[in-house]
Amino acid sequence: AQSVAQPEDQVNVAEGNPLTVKCTYSVSGNPYLFWYVQYPNRGLQFLLKYITGDNLVKGSYGFEAEFNKSQTSFHLKKPSALVSDSALYFCAVRGLNTGGFKTIFGAGTRLFVKA
Amino acid sequence: ETGVTQTPRHLVMGMTNKKSLKCEQHLGHNAMYWYKQSAKKPLELMFVYNFKEQTENNSVPSRFSPECPNSSHLFLHLHTLQPEDSALYLCASSQPLQVSTEQFFGPGTRLTVL
Repeated sequence: AQSVAQPEDQVNVAEGNPLTVKCTYSVSGNPYLFWYVQYPNRGLQFLLKYITGDNLVKGSYGFEAEFNKSQTSFHLKKPSALVSDSALYFCAVRGLNTGGFKTIFGAGTRLFVKA
Repeated sequence: ETGVTQTPRHLVMGMTNKKSLKCEQHLGHNAMYWYKQSAKKPLELMFVYNFKEQTENNSVPSRFSPECPNSSHLFLHLHTLQPEDSALYLCASSQPLQVSTEQFFGPGTRLTVL
């Protein structure tokens, strides 16, 4: 079965410290991986994606993610967290076998950045 | 206006009411989606339209009825809903359906069914 797991409901980090939000996936074939962020009272906003090529993907607002095929992971990272990064983060996967063009989303990880 | 807009932003309705949610995208996309977002649950895909044709109905109850008159507009007609249908309903759009395309989301309609 195709699935996405975000093992942490919440991640707390101090401003200025590096942050990591974890994501693992299970999909047949080559995965297409995405990260989205949701601020309060807003829809989801695309951050970055991995399609092919370099395993380290850079995205918006200084975020990056590393695709690790052997560990089936796609963790989101940022070298120095900002208070304004506090939001709900979703990992998502699409694949040719995820049911047509269905995107499978993780349950989300809430990030709190403390000043 | 730019991006994906949704109206109304908030809606309270009784179980016997009929209402509609509207979504409009100004991005020139050809694929549109409805999602349901409930607390502490993954996003649930409801419907997908590609060039106005429905390509996905994710086993959604018939009390939800989508309509896509053109590639820029998407509606979700609601009828005899249940309290458990209370959620945030998100509309999204993307370039024509390809597995590698990202989606652009509207701000959502917060629906409360009494």
